[in-house]
Formats: sequence, C-alpha cells, structure tokens
Amino acid sequence: SAVISQKPSRDICQRGTSLTIQCQVDSQVTMMFWYRQQPGQSLTLIATANQGSEATYESGFVIDKFPISRPNLTFSTLTVSNMSPEDSSIYLCSTEGVNYGYTFGSGTRLTVV
Amino acid sequence: SQQGEEDPQALSIQEGENATMNCSYKTSINNLQWYRQNSGRGLVHLILIRSNEREKHSGRLRVTLDTSKKSSSLLITASRAADTASYFCATFRGGADGLTFGKGTHLIIQP
Repeated sequence: SAVISQKPSRDICQRGTSLTIQCQVDSQVTMMFWYRQQPGQSLTLIATANQGSEATYESGFVIDKFPISRPNLTFSTLTVSNMSPEDSSIYLCSTEGVNYGYTFGSGTRLTVV
Repeated sequence: SQQGEEDPQALSIQEGENATMNCSYKTSINNLQWYRQNSGRGLVHLILIRSNEREKHSGRLRVTLDTSKKSSSLLITASRAADTASYFCATFRGGADGLTFGKGTHLIIQP
C-alpha cells in the first residue's frame, strides 16, 4: 500500500487567515480524498480529488472554503480559507484502496484562535 | 455524511479480555473496513471484509458482516494495553466514492 507524507502536522492560525495542507504519496494514485475530523467526532469526507479534473465536494463543503489542487498523481493540497474557530479540526488525506484498505496521512491538527 | 452507528461509544476492559465492537450502516456496500486511530493521529487500516464474505480473521482480529442486518462486528481477542485507541468502521459503496465512517468506539485497555 501507498505511504503518505502529510504536513504540517499541526498549526495554530489566526481567524480570517488561510492554511494549505499538503499530502505527498510515494506512488501514483488516481484518487485522493480529504476528510475532516472535528473534536471528539468521526471523519467526514470533504471532497474527492482526481488528477486533471475539478474536485468533487460533499454536501456542506464548498470550493471557495476548501479549494483543492491535484497537479499530478502523487500530490494534493487542501486549503482551509478564511478560517474561523469552527474550522478547528484534524484534516486527513487518504488514497484509494478498494481491495486492501485506504491509506491515510498522519493528519493535520488545526487550531484557529 | 456518516453512514452508521457504532456501539458501544466507549469500552473499558481489563488486559487479556476480549473486546467486541459493533457497527451498523444504512446503504448497500461493496466492502466494510475497520480502522484504528491512536490519540487523534492518522488512521491505520486493520481489516477489510467484502459484501460477499461473512467472517474474516487477521491475527487477534475477527470481523463478521451481516448484510441482511447491515451490521458488522470487530472482535479483538486477548487485548493488550497497546490496543487502547479509537476504532472506526467505514463502508465503501463502490466506484469513485470515498469511505463513510461510523462514529467510532473508544477502547481503553486497563493494565
């Protein structure tokens, strides 16, 4: 299975600013996924990112707030824009793994103050 | 959106005992997966069971799947302190979908 390097691992940001989270995969993958995990909660899918096409967002998530880039088959970024304290969460990327389970990055713990 | 429920939400047992966690889901699935998360870090894939399978084993893990009841269970035998973590079930429906996660069970193994 793939190995994902996610950074930053954590950050404390001022409200109104933006943070870009990066995920680098050690092999080429068609689809990457971004999840949000609010404090004490489970994971919620934000969007699916395919290389060469616009990301597909789940209900409740919009591109203006969570723009995603997928410039090649090994890399993706998620930006959390115009942050508010409600955006304080752990953000995780993952790769597809239909037959052997998905691989997740180590997560970015974001605190907005 | 979250597909299912897990119970119990929290479970505390003594080291050496068996731990059982349950998961229910709402839609048809291609497969169901279980993940472990330590202290809010990244998720580690534990086991995957396909919709046409009923039971699967991996080391101290045993997973069952009942598609008629839309439910699954994860059994950890001979628990260890290192098993302390949150456990999530996740369903995959197929195609280009991502995973849909249950709410999770927080397992504490008392030494």
